[in-house]
Amino acid sequence: GAVVSQHPSWVICKSGTSVKIECRSLDFQATTMFWYRQFPKQSLMLMATSNEGSKATYEQGVEKDKFLINHASLTLSTLTVTSAHPEDSSFYICSAPGLAEQETQYFGPGTRLLVL
Amino acid sequence: QQQVKQSPQSLIVQKGGISIINCAYENTAFDYFPWYQQFPGKGPALLIAIRPDVSEKKEGRFTISFNKSAKQFSLHIMDSQPGDSATYFCAARRSGGYQKVTFGIGTKLQVIP
Repeated sequence: GAVVSQHPSWVICKSGTSVKIECRSLDFQATTMFWYRQFPKQSLMLMATSNEGSKATYEQGVEKDKFLINHASLTLSTLTVTSAHPEDSSFYICSAPGLAEQETQYFGPGTRLLVL
Repeated sequence: QQQVKQSPQSLIVQKGGISIINCAYENTAFDYFPWYQQFPGKGPALLIAIRPDVSEKKEGRFTISFNKSAKQFSLHIMDSQPGDSATYFCAARRSGGYQKVTFGIGTKLQVIP
């Protein structure tokens, strides 16, 4: 099946700094990618839909200026958490729909962010 | 508003037993229902999925039962094994790979020897 990678797998940063998380589709192209956030023992909450070559679509309640999304190519989407605060600590997961089997979404392994 | 309701939130099953997780949805526009398995610290992985035009789908030890009129679907894990211990999410989506997925709250399954 298709593979989606994320980098880094975990990151610790100081409050006030910005953190960039990369999501790559390794063996297929993805014009659309999705970014989720997951708190411990909770479900995945969709944050935004990343579209190659255009602006991302954010879910209600998600701060656009806080969570910057850039979908620069057909295989790469990035999520930048700007001026991170401890409450931004979470597990961030991206996904991409495969082209060969469009009903399936492939999820990345996730990025654990801890803001001190 | 929780569009996909999942229960139970936790489940303990003895090895060899049947694990059953139930979900219900509200939006009749949903027509694709996947189940995901997630291990701690990992992203979700697609386990099995069903469309509402079939009432049951089986893949190995995993079976989805679907009741369109009741807007309910369930996952059955036969002969549950300790390696099945994970969190399971039911989900729903409109047709088309680019549609966003709505997840249930998740069920933490523990299979004890």
